[in-house]
Amino acid sequence: KNQVEQSPQSLIILEGKNCTLQCNYTVSPFSNLRWYKQDTGRGPVSLTIMTFSENTKSNGRYTATLDADTKQSSLHITASQLSDSASYICVVVDRGSTLGRLYFGRGTQLTVWP
Amino acid sequence: EADIYQTPRYLVIGTGKKITLECSQTMGHDKMYWYQQDPGMELHLIHYSYGVNSTEKGDLSSESTVSRIRTEHFPLTLESARPSHTSQYLCASSGSPRDNSHIQYFGAGTRLSVL
Repeated sequence: KNQVEQSPQSLIILEGKNCTLQCNYTVSPFSNLRWYKQDTGRGPVSLTIMTFSENTKSNGRYTATLDADTKQSSLHITASQLSDSASYICVVVDRGSTLGRLYFGRGTQLTVWP
Repeated sequence: EADIYQTPRYLVIGTGKKITLECSQTMGHDKMYWYQQDPGMELHLIHYSYGVNSTEKGDLSSESTVSRIRTEHFPLTLESARPSHTSQYLCASSGSPRDNSHIQYFGAGTRLSVL
C-alpha cells in the first residue's frame, strides 16, 4: 500500500477558479512534506516544502497546508491559469533514514480549461 | 531553474540493444538519484549516489546499472534493453552546501521505448 495517497486522481476546472488538492500520508517518522508540479513530459519542480512545525506555506498563487497530527496536507491554487495544467505530486520525506527517503504520491492531474 | 540535464529526451530502440542515459548537474550537488515513472504512477527510486564512487540500489529492482566517476555526472546503463524497460527515467540531485532543505531538483526526463 502506498504510504502517500492523493485525491482526487484528476480534476478539471475553468480558468480563474480556485481548487484544492488533498494528500494523506502514513510515513513515520516524518521530516518534511513537499508539493511538486510536473508538466507533461517534464521532471517535477518543487512548489513548497513544510516541516512538521509549519502548518501553511505560500508560493504565489499556491498555498500548502499541513496537519501533522492527522497526517494530511492540501494544496490550494487560487485564480487558476491555463499554465497550471499539470500533475501535482505530494512527497513526504522520512526522517528515519540518512538519505532522507522520499515517498511519492501518484499525483493529481489538473486540467484548466479556458 | 535547476541546472540538471538529461539526454536523450526521447529514445526508441530495439530489444537487446545497449543504451546509456546521461545525466549531468552543474550545481555541485553531492547526491544524485535515478527514478522510474510509468504513466499515472508514482516515481520509484532505482539508484542513488552519495558522491563520487558511491552507488546504491533503490527500492525498485532494476536491471540497469549506474556509475559516479565525477560529481556532476551520473549515467544509467542498460546492457540489453527489453520491452519491459519502456518507461520514463528521471534523474535528480540534491545536497548543495548552501541548501539544507535537501530539495531534489529533477531533470526533464528520458522517455524510453523498447520495441
